[in-house]
Amino acid sequence: SQQGEEDPQALSIQEGENATMNCSYKTSINNLQWYRQNSGRGLVHLILIRSNEREKHSGRLRVTLDTSKKSSSLLITASRAADTASYFCATNQRGAQKLVFGQGTRLTINP
Amino acid sequence: DADVTQTPRNRITKTGKRIMLECSQTKGHDRMYWYRQDPGLGLRLIYYSFDVKDINKGEISDGYSVSRQAQAKFSLSLESAIPNQTALYFCATSDLAGAPYNEQFFGPGTRLTVL
Repeated sequence: SQQGEEDPQALSIQEGENATMNCSYKTSINNLQWYRQNSGRGLVHLILIRSNEREKHSGRLRVTLDTSKKSSSLLITASRAADTASYFCATNQRGAQKLVFGQGTRLTINP
Repeated sequence: DADVTQTPRNRITKTGKRIMLECSQTKGHDRMYWYRQDPGLGLRLIYYSFDVKDINKGEISDGYSVSRQAQAKFSLSLESAIPNQTALYFCATSDLAGAPYNEQFFGPGTRLTVL
């Protein structure tokens, strides 16, 4: 099964609202990363949070990590139509030399 | 985006045909990966390579093979394509430097349809 499980699978909000997506995982990790994918295109890295970090910001993005609950959240503030995309979390498990991607959250921002 | 290129971008083929997907990168990264993405699903790792002499199977390597011709080139082959290999294929790279693990840079993808 996938290491990362995103929730919800799909989210539709109005422009200007905040969007929150969650990711849960099963094993200990070195870091957790969030990626964005516009329809049919390659993934673009958004942010990386290490296992010893609890919160990280990048522009309108805020990521939190709770290693005790094995979960992370991605918050996009003041959403824009251009934020419409699929968002994936990816975990780097301890001892593994690769990333494991979740199934993604499809975010739609309505004008 | 142009740092990681994939050819072809779209390919339609028939069952039983041999297909090669190519990936080139100008980022100077040592690590390269091949993923497939099916509708509504995340990415699944097919093969990965940490240098020219290193090839590793991912979680779904059956039916695929790879070749790392140079640091900058990593090709994926389907020896005898079957319809359930219809998917979007992505190549990605990452830098060996840095720990514990850096971000990956993705190509634009190849949409493969096997009839």
